[in-house]
Amino acid sequence: GEDVEQSLFLSVREGDSSVINCTYTDSSSTYLYWYKQEPGAGLQLLTYIFSNMDMKQDQRLTVLLNKKDKHLSLRIADTQTGDSAIYFCAPSTWGGKLIFGQGTELSVKP
Amino acid sequence: AAGVIQSPRHLIKEKRETATLKCYPIPRHDTVYWYQQGPGQDPQFLISFYEKMQSDKGSIPDRFSAQQFSDYHSELNMSSLELGDSALYFCASRSFDRSSLATQYFGPGTRLTVL
Repeated sequence: GEDVEQSLFLSVREGDSSVINCTYTDSSSTYLYWYKQEPGAGLQLLTYIFSNMDMKQDQRLTVLLNKKDKHLSLRIADTQTGDSAIYFCAPSTWGGKLIFGQGTELSVKP
Repeated sequence: AAGVIQSPRHLIKEKRETATLKCYPIPRHDTVYWYQQGPGQDPQFLISFYEKMQSDKGSIPDRFSAQQFSDYHSELNMSSLELGDSALYFCASRSFDRSSLATQYFGPGTRLTVL
């Protein structure tokens, strides 16, 4: 089945850029999503990319997709303390179910 | 805008008891997904329904069952609860309309604690 891997922790200073990486195994994933989860809270959809795109920009967020290497990244520009959370990469499979990575805990230091 | 509603938000049960979690999808969404997120874990897909029929099944224990009703709300029934069932249970809904983005919208989750 699909396997999704992310690094577990990332620490940056406020104002820097953050880059969260994700690798996946199922090349048939149609949509690839990024979700944000704050402690004890639900899953907030941040952005997504369709599999026939290489890049998508949405305000401070940039998603890059390398379909050949099955590598997805999320760049957050001008990272703020409010961006501290766990970020999940989640490719969708046939039928729409999401397979989540382990999540990357982003810590933003003032 | 209307969101996915889950009830209850918190539930405390004893071992071997039963629990029923409810999910009310966004209006006009015909597909519901259930996920389980254990402490410090990533969400794991349990089961999904499209137009009241089971459409996919993941790592759902045999002690759990679910269904989608005619008004598209869904219920997850959990029996013989175990300590390891303590988790956050998310419901997500989407519309399978081909013209719309196939995005799942998540509810706030039900936190189940089994003592």
